[in-house]
Amino acid sequence: SQELEQSPQSLIVQEGKNLTINCTSSKTLYGLYWYKQKYGEGLIFLMMLQKGGEEKSHEKITAKLDEKKQQSSLHITASQPSHAGIYLCGADTSNAGKSTFGDGTTLTVKP
Amino acid sequence: KAGVTQTPRHLIKTRGQQVTLSCSPISGHRSVSWYQQTPGQGLQFLFEYFSETQRNKGNFPGRFSGRQFSNSRSEMNVSTLELGDSALYLCASSLGQISYEQYFGPGTRLTVT
Repeated sequence: SQELEQSPQSLIVQEGKNLTINCTSSKTLYGLYWYKQKYGEGLIFLMMLQKGGEEKSHEKITAKLDEKKQQSSLHITASQPSHAGIYLCGADTSNAGKSTFGDGTTLTVKP
Repeated sequence: KAGVTQTPRHLIKTRGQQVTLSCSPISGHRSVSWYQQTPGQGLQFLFEYFSETQRNKGNFPGRFSGRQFSNSRSEMNVSTLELGDSALYLCASSLGQISYEQYFGPGTRLTVT
């Protein structure tokens, strides 16, 4: 079974709308990170969360970590076409530096 | 600083052949990890090298191997290629020890015919 479940699998929003992507782990999280990927290209690091309750923001993207729920959410405010892409959450669920990733959420932003 | 570079960017091989992919990490980064990405399986961890030693390994057959040189550059080798090995192979570098802030290269697209 998948260690990291992302939801939704895909999302289509109108430009200017807010959206949230969730990442839930079936195991204890020892660090969670969010990446963005353009199809067929490498991953771009967005942010890393390590402590329960931690929240980080970069421009219009905010990520939170709920350690008790073993869950993280990525929130985009006032989406723009430049936000389109595949968002992946990754985590170390072994505390040994071994990374596992979710299947990704494909975001389309309609102008 | 220059980013992570991978060569070649695209590769076409025939079943049964072997292939070597190269990854140059960001200067000063000592950890290099390799991943395989396919539409069906997503992004899967292959292995990680730190200071020329394999520190972690994913669940891939022994046909997949790697190594890291003293300058932290890494190579990945796949022997006896199978059709299912067609994928985007990504490498990522980080400062080292257990660091989750990984920086990815653009990937090598391998097609096995």
